[in-house]
Amino acid sequence: DQQVKQNSPSLSVQEGRISILNCDYTNSMFDYFLWYKKYPAEGPTFLISISSIKDKNEDGRFTVFLNKSAKHLSLHIVPSQPGDSAVYFCAASGAGYSSASKIIFGSGTRLSIRP
Amino acid sequence: DGGITQSPKYLFRKEGQNVTLSCEQNLNHDAMYWYRQDPGQGLRLIYYSQIVNDFQKGDIAEGYSVSREKKESFPLTVTSAQKNPTAFYLCASRGPYNEQFFGPGTRLTVL
Repeated sequence: DQQVKQNSPSLSVQEGRISILNCDYTNSMFDYFLWYKKYPAEGPTFLISISSIKDKNEDGRFTVFLNKSAKHLSLHIVPSQPGDSAVYFCAASGAGYSSASKIIFGSGTRLSIRP
Repeated sequence: DGGITQSPKYLFRKEGQNVTLSCEQNLNHDAMYWYRQDPGQGLRLIYYSQIVNDFQKGDIAEGYSVSREKKESFPLTVTSAQKNPTAFYLCASRGPYNEQFFGPGTRLTVL
């Protein structure tokens, strides 16, 4: 049972436009959400996070939106750049897990930025 | 520079052999994690450790073992009992704001 779902395995966006990556979760105990970016044969790198007490967090070109009632979050990248082409993982953690704060990852969305 | 190192980057193993993947961090983080990634799938948690001399099974611990004798080190042994060990293995540690920092990964191939 996937608790964090990224239903779009791939997304293609023109350079300069907005990229929107979506993520849904099922566990209402999650209270902290993260986005990671991953290039092939490398470890994921942390991008941005959001606590459940907020509905928006912005960092430069990256903005994460959280809709708790819909159990949905999204990552907006604007403007999209060629270097943004990578796999993006949505992840969640919360008080329902042990104090090791296990993070549950989605299956990822491959973003391709075309010229 | 602070970070997480994993070695080797590529590893080949014959069937029936145990192999140990190294993970070292100098970030002074208490919690460390091991994940595996398979093509088209997300990261699945194998084992994690909150503190030295303590570790817990993750979602897919069968066929794996770990140790945490030092804060900086969290090696993962892939045993011959692991039925499908070919994968990309990622080690991570947890920072103060609950984010995880990942190493570069080890690709294990069973011949």
